Amino acid sequence: SQTIHQWPATLVQPVGSPLSLECTVEGTSNPNLYWYRQAAGRGLQLLFYSVGIGQISSEVPQNLSASRPQDRQFILSSKKLLLSDSGFYLCAWSPTREETQYFGPGTRLLVL
Amino acid sequence: LAKTTQPISMDSYEGQEVNITCSHNNIATNDYITWYQQFPSQGPRFIIQGYKTKVTNEVASLFIPADRKSSTLSLPRVSLSDTAVYYCLVGPNAGKSTFGDGTTLTVKP
Repeated sequence: SQTIHQWPATLVQPVGSPLSLECTVEGTSNPNLYWYRQAAGRGLQLLFYSVGIGQISSEVPQNLSASRPQDRQFILSSKKLLLSDSGFYLCAWSPTREETQYFGPGTRLLVL
Repeated sequence: LAKTTQPISMDSYEGQEVNITCSHNNIATNDYITWYQQFPSQGPRFIIQGYKTKVTNEVASLFIPADRKSSTLSLPRVSLSDTAVYYCLVGPNAGKSTFGDGTTLTVKP
């Protein structure tokens, strides 16, 4: 069966510090991968998606970037965090772009 | 992308059937309708997906009228553990679908 991992579970970072969140998927090959951010009490905002290694599409211009160095690894990064980057970050995968997405446990980021 | 409209919140009692309706007037021919459930501090979980008429699985039913401009998620005999946020998504693929603010369902004893 397929599983998706995210770490860390929680993170507190000062403004201006760098960020690296990692997501890995097991049990499948060539998944489509997604990064979302969720503000408190709100829906999910799609940040990036990837259909293959090195292929990243950005949905919303912002202070963040994403990379996919390996087939089942998706990384969300920032060089300098802003207060507005605080939120709940979710990684998801799908077998193809026409199918259901499966979400990881999420990372709660607090920028102070 | 088809925009969806859902009620912000709903209350129910244990054992009742709950119906949550989603409006998607601009749905395209190749769009599917997908519902997710999200508990606090967890990622959304797939509930059900459909294209037209009725779909049923072990946890819910999805009713889609002929014009497909709305859909209704039906949860039979809800329990306290069904308290969650429910999202309706419409799109040709999940990656391009937009999560709205969802419907917060509160089940009371």
